[in-house]
Amino acid sequence: RKEVEQDPGPFNVPEGATVAFNCTYSNSASQSFFWYRQDCRKEPKLLMSVYSSGNEDGRFTAQLNRASQYISLLIRDSKLSDSATYLCVVKDTGRRALTFGSGTRLQVQP
Amino acid sequence: EPEVTQTPSHQVTQMGQEVILRCVPISNHLYFYWYRQILGQKVEFLVSFYNNEISEKSEIFDDQFSVERPDGSNFTLKIRSTKLEDSAMYFCASSEADHSGGSYNEQFFGPGTRLTVL
Repeated sequence: RKEVEQDPGPFNVPEGATVAFNCTYSNSASQSFFWYRQDCRKEPKLLMSVYSSGNEDGRFTAQLNRASQYISLLIRDSKLSDSATYLCVVKDTGRRALTFGSGTRLQVQP
Repeated sequence: EPEVTQTPSHQVTQMGQEVILRCVPISNHLYFYWYRQILGQKVEFLVSFYNNEISEKSEIFDDQFSVERPDGSNFTLKIRSTKLEDSAMYFCASSEADHSGGSYNEQFFGPGTRLTVL
C-alpha cells in the first residue's frame, strides 16, 4: 500500500485559474505535513508546511484533515511560473525521515 | 538566503568504484540528511545524521553506504562499490535541531548530485 498517494496529473490549466491538489496518507501516526514543489531535474523546494487549522501563504492554501488522512493544496490565480511537480510530504511521529508522494504535475498555459 | 550546497553536480563512475558525494549544510543547522531520487521515481529517504552519528536510516542504506562529517562544514555520503542501480540524483538536506520535540523541522534541500554508474 502506498504511504503517500497523489494523482500524478498532469493538470493543464490556463493562467489565472484556481487548481486544487489532493493527497492521502496511510499512517495515522503521521505528525507533520508539507508541500514541496519540484521543477524538472531540480531539488524539492519547500512550499509550505501544513498545519492542523489550515494555513495560507499568498495564493496558496493548504488544508489538513486528520480524520480522513487527507491533505490538500489550493493555488489561486495560477501563474506560468507555478508549472512544476507538487510533492505531498509526510513525517511520522518520532522519525526524521520525510516520506514523499510521487507528485502531481501542474502545467499552467498562457 | 542561506542554502545547502552540493558537489559535484554530476558524477560518472564505473560499476564497482567508490564515490564520495559532498554537501555543505546550512550553517546553523544540526540535522543532516541524504535522499535519493531515481529518474522518474519519487524521492526516497536514505539516512539522517545528528551529533556525529546516524539517527535514522532506511532499508536502502545498507553496508555499502556510509556518512561522515569530516570537519565543521562538510557532510559526505560514500558509496563503497557502486552498482548500476545506484544511478540516481542524490539530495542532501538539513534542518535546525528542535529539542522541544516539535514536529515542524523543515528540511531544506541542496541542488543534488546526479550519479551515473556505467
